[in-house]
Amino acid sequence: DAKTTQPTSMDCAEGRAANLPCNHSTISGNEYVYWYRQIHSQGPQYIIHGLKNNETNEMASLIITEDRKSSTLILPHATLRDTAVYYCIAGGFTGGGNKLTFGTGTQLKVEL
Amino acid sequence: KAGVTQTPRYLIKTRGQQVTLSCSPISGHRSVSWYQQTPGQGLQFLFEYFSETQRNKGNFPGRFSGRQFSNSRSEMNVSTLELGDSALYLCASSITGGSNVLTFGAGSRLTVL
Repeated sequence: DAKTTQPTSMDCAEGRAANLPCNHSTISGNEYVYWYRQIHSQGPQYIIHGLKNNETNEMASLIITEDRKSSTLILPHATLRDTAVYYCIAGGFTGGGNKLTFGTGTQLKVEL
Repeated sequence: KAGVTQTPRYLIKTRGQQVTLSCSPISGHRSVSWYQQTPGQGLQFLFEYFSETQRNKGNFPGRFSGRQFSNSRSEMNVSTLELGDSALYLCASSITGGSNVLTFGAGSRLTVL
């Protein structure tokens, strides 16, 4: 799996958009970008994933640069409940099984 | 629908003992993965099972083992417990093996004294 780099921490005001960057400059052509988050003392929660096109679901949007070397997770209207550690993971989508390599993630703190 | 259920949620063991943790995946999910989370090492992949077969294994000693039953329920076992095995053990399930879209349980928190 390609290595990812994320800022250690970020702050966001409630109601504003939270933009979480991720660098994955060594990502290979068949590796997807996955985002998970972990709220304190809970199991990680899947947010979104994509290969090269931008993706949107009910939780967030994922913007992947054209060269695929970086991406941004966007929470359009952050709430206090979005305070969590956000993990960006680059990995294969294969028949070889599920295996995620988690890094240290970004601690997002949403404040009033 | 019911989520991923892990039991027990909390347990305390002493060094040298063994422990068995259980995971019931979401109905219809055939892939079960296990992860260890510690403050020092973060989230680390232990192994993944699909249709009762171990498909992937992380870099953990042989004291860590697992299995999956025909109903997709899974157990992991840690023998000869060490202090460093104190961690949150997370189970995750997926419909298929390979999508990496996982639903995690709340975890089993193991303390080794």
